[in-house]
Amino acid sequence: AQSVSQHNHHVILSEAASLELGCNYSYGGTVNLFWYVQYPGQHLQLLLKYFSGDPLVKGIKGFEAEFIKSKFSFNLRKPSVQWSDTAEYFCAVNAPGNEKLTFGTGTRLTIIP
Amino acid sequence: SAVISQKPSRDICQRGTSLTIQCQVDSQVTMMFWYRQQPGQSLTLIATANQGSEATYESGFVIDKFPISRPNLTFSTLTVSNMSPEDSSIYLCSVTWFDSTDTQYFGPGTRLTVL
Repeated sequence: AQSVSQHNHHVILSEAASLELGCNYSYGGTVNLFWYVQYPGQHLQLLLKYFSGDPLVKGIKGFEAEFIKSKFSFNLRKPSVQWSDTAEYFCAVNAPGNEKLTFGTGTRLTIIP
Repeated sequence: SAVISQKPSRDICQRGTSLTIQCQVDSQVTMMFWYRQQPGQSLTLIATANQGSEATYESGFVIDKFPISRPNLTFSTLTVSNMSPEDSSIYLCSVTWFDSTDTQYFGPGTRLTVL
């Protein structure tokens, strides 16, 4: 069975700081990887996804994530955060051809102006 | 882009009653799913809504408690039956489209409070 770990439960940063949120997954085969974001009072939105190819993927709003197969990781990064990045971030995984998503527990990001 | 809507957006219900949540998409989709997000928790898949047949439930979820319908390619309902305060959660539907079957897009959610 798949599992996803997000070890950072709550991260607090100042504006312009760099961000890296950890995501590790457990699964023996090929995976699709996703980051979703939930802004306060809004619904869950897709931030970026990795299926295959270049392990460095770029998403919306300046976010990127790097798939490191040897580490079973898919960490989310942003070089300079803004106050508007305050949100809950979820890492998720599924297997190609199996749409069922397994989510991590989420990381709450608070940006201090 | 296509729109996923859910009704109601929120509700407060009494213990022992049932609530039916609707998920409507403005274009045809392949898969529809129902998730639960309990307070302070991540999303947990309840079931996959199958068109014209019984839903496929995940471990820990049963049809008697969470009956699901999906009569066509754009609409599904989830009923939370015989509610208790432990059912207080956000319930979300998600969909996949024909041209992107491995990616799920989520509705706005229904915030349910059971007293």
